[in-house]
Amino acid sequence: EAGVAQSPRYKIIEKRQSVAFWCNPISGHATLYWYQQILGQGPKLLIQFQNNGVVDDSQLPKDRFSAERLKGVDSTLKIQPAKLEDSAVYLCASSLGQGAQYEQYFGPGTRLTVT
Amino acid sequence: AQSVSQHNHHVILSEAASLELGCNYSYGGTVNLFWYVQYPGQHLQLLLKYFSGDPLVKGIKGFEAEFIKSKFSFNLRKPSVQWSDTAEYFCAVIFKAAGNKLTFGGGTRVLVKP
Repeated sequence: EAGVAQSPRYKIIEKRQSVAFWCNPISGHATLYWYQQILGQGPKLLIQFQNNGVVDDSQLPKDRFSAERLKGVDSTLKIQPAKLEDSAVYLCASSLGQGAQYEQYFGPGTRLTVT
Repeated sequence: AQSVSQHNHHVILSEAASLELGCNYSYGGTVNLFWYVQYPGQHLQLLLKYFSGDPLVKGIKGFEAEFIKSKFSFNLRKPSVQWSDTAEYFCAVIFKAAGNKLTFGGGTRVLVKP
């Protein structure tokens, strides 16, 4: 079965610019997650969707970050405007359901560099 | 806030050596515990998990982990490592009181020398 797809794989932008990342989860997976992984740290959950509804966005910097999953499948994460500290790998993951028993499958990530 | 700590940032060892990676978490009531691994150039993937029952959990590729509730620890072990175990290892915890989100430790980079 195909895994979680993400694009682009790499992105370099200047501070104050905008950027968007795309994620296509595994087919049939109702739950989708976006994580931020800063160099030298573990992934940190930014937002969790169940179908097209937000379950948890408590760690999403809402003044500059936004995410949507309009049809309950693909998702986009946007940063506007970007700051230097947003340089990180952005990981998308998906699972069949939102309970702990459902394994999360991770995509390859998008490496963002903000200069 | 709940947190997860991995004590070693880098570990270097030779093939056939034993590996133990430490993981501690802050007190937070009922927890589910996980170890994830990221091999070079690959995606993050689940190595093993603990929900309840026998505190010694066996995972893929000969890895095991032991949950010690009194020490808030979930250490990962492998008796004899191979060069192919070179990877970054992440401990992760779901603190049930805070919902079902994974909280990751900072990771440990393991280099196995042939």
